[in-house]
Amino acid sequence: GNSVTQMEGPVTLSEEAFLTINCTYTATGYPSLFWYVQYPGEGLQLLLKATKADDKGSNKGFEATYRKETTSFHLEKGSVQVSDSAVYFCALSSPLYGNKLVFGAGTILRVKS
Amino acid sequence: EPEVTQTPSHQVTQMGQEVILRCVPISNHLYFYWYRQILGQKVEFLVSFYNNEISEKSEIFDDQFSVERPDGSNFTLKIRSTKLEDSAMYFCASSEAPRLAGELFFGEGSRLTVL
Repeated sequence: GNSVTQMEGPVTLSEEAFLTINCTYTATGYPSLFWYVQYPGEGLQLLLKATKADDKGSNKGFEATYRKETTSFHLEKGSVQVSDSAVYFCALSSPLYGNKLVFGAGTILRVKS
Repeated sequence: EPEVTQTPSHQVTQMGQEVILRCVPISNHLYFYWYRQILGQKVEFLVSFYNNEISEKSEIFDDQFSVERPDGSNFTLKIRSTKLEDSAMYFCASSEAPRLAGELFFGEGSRLTVL
């Protein structure tokens, strides 16, 4: 079945540091890929998405590129802020599996000032 | 901005009691979902609902669980006889259409604690 593997956290960075959170997936067919973010005390919010190979999703300075050859969708940001502290979830959905979201375990990001 | 709202934000109940978690999806959305997240674990799919019936459910969604859309706005998850292992954060979500099903809009969650 479909699955998502994320790097374990927590990831602790200083403000303005470069961020990478690794995500790899296993899926049949051609899934769509997503990053969701959960700020403290809030629900999950869609951060960015990519629906086909080589697509780059971007939002709020975050980027991720759909790499079919390496089955990866790593999240990057050039300069993190304290306000980026949250839990980040990589996810996929596939029409072969009813389009339901399959989530990774989540990665806690802590940014220090 | 439209949002999904969930109530209660936190419920504490005794094992064996019935619990109903309520959700108001975004008004023009047609597809509704429940997910749960046990503390420290992955967010897991429970059930999807469309056109007044369940379209898909996971192995977790056994006979103790049910969903209902009793009126034009609410979408509820009922657990008939709660168990300790039902303690989790339950997230409701909605989307406009199946091809956009990955673009789910989530509520803030309802934390259920079973004692």
